[in-house]
Amino acid sequence: DSGVTQTPKHLITATGQRVTLRCSPRSGDLSVYWYQQSLDQGLQFLIHYYNGEERAKGNILERFSAQQFPDLHSELNLSSLELGDSALYFCASSVVASGGGGNEQFFGPGTRLTVL
Amino acid sequence: GENVEQHPSTLSVQEGDSAVIKCTYSDSASNYFPWYKQELGKGPQLIIDIRSNVGEKKDQRIAVTLNKTAKHFSLHITETQPEDSAVYFCAAGRSLGNQFYFGTGTSLTVIP
Repeated sequence: DSGVTQTPKHLITATGQRVTLRCSPRSGDLSVYWYQQSLDQGLQFLIHYYNGEERAKGNILERFSAQQFPDLHSELNLSSLELGDSALYFCASSVVASGGGGNEQFFGPGTRLTVL
Repeated sequence: GENVEQHPSTLSVQEGDSAVIKCTYSDSASNYFPWYKQELGKGPQLIIDIRSNVGEKKDQRIAVTLNKTAKHFSLHITETQPEDSAVYFCAAGRSLGNQFYFGTGTSLTVIP
């Protein structure tokens, strides 16, 4: 158990809908990262927040947005869902701000999103 | 941006044999290279990492080597066990960067 929690575990919805995925980082971790994992692709970095502020954006679609709240939990909002958005969505947390700097990222168990 | 390639995509070995997974990266400024293991239904878990000032690092049955000149790094698992069966991801990043760039993963199967 990494200490990172994600809810819900599974989500099934229809095209055009909007969903919110939730992540609670490990106690003491200030950074939260969101990743998308599709069947035929590896882990695609979406966005990074540190202590409530957006730090970096990766391949995140304009239909997607995220935020990190004062209690450090984070939410990833996906809107106008398309079939291709079906994937596993992971969040990870780390202690420090630098996401590539040798600071271990602890991954949650993921949310499996199915868009029908 | 960084581009990380990983090979092979699938690997089957007999229990007790060694497994090697290779990755290449494109950004010469990348200086941190973690390896993650993902078991079915779980999130990736860091198993070993290496920084660019080191050529090799070992942790029990797992070792990672880095060739900065050639921009490639490898994961070596010796004396494989069935519980090593999982998907392994390599990644590359910069010390002052904000993201990792992941390879596409290697599905390792250890046959008892």
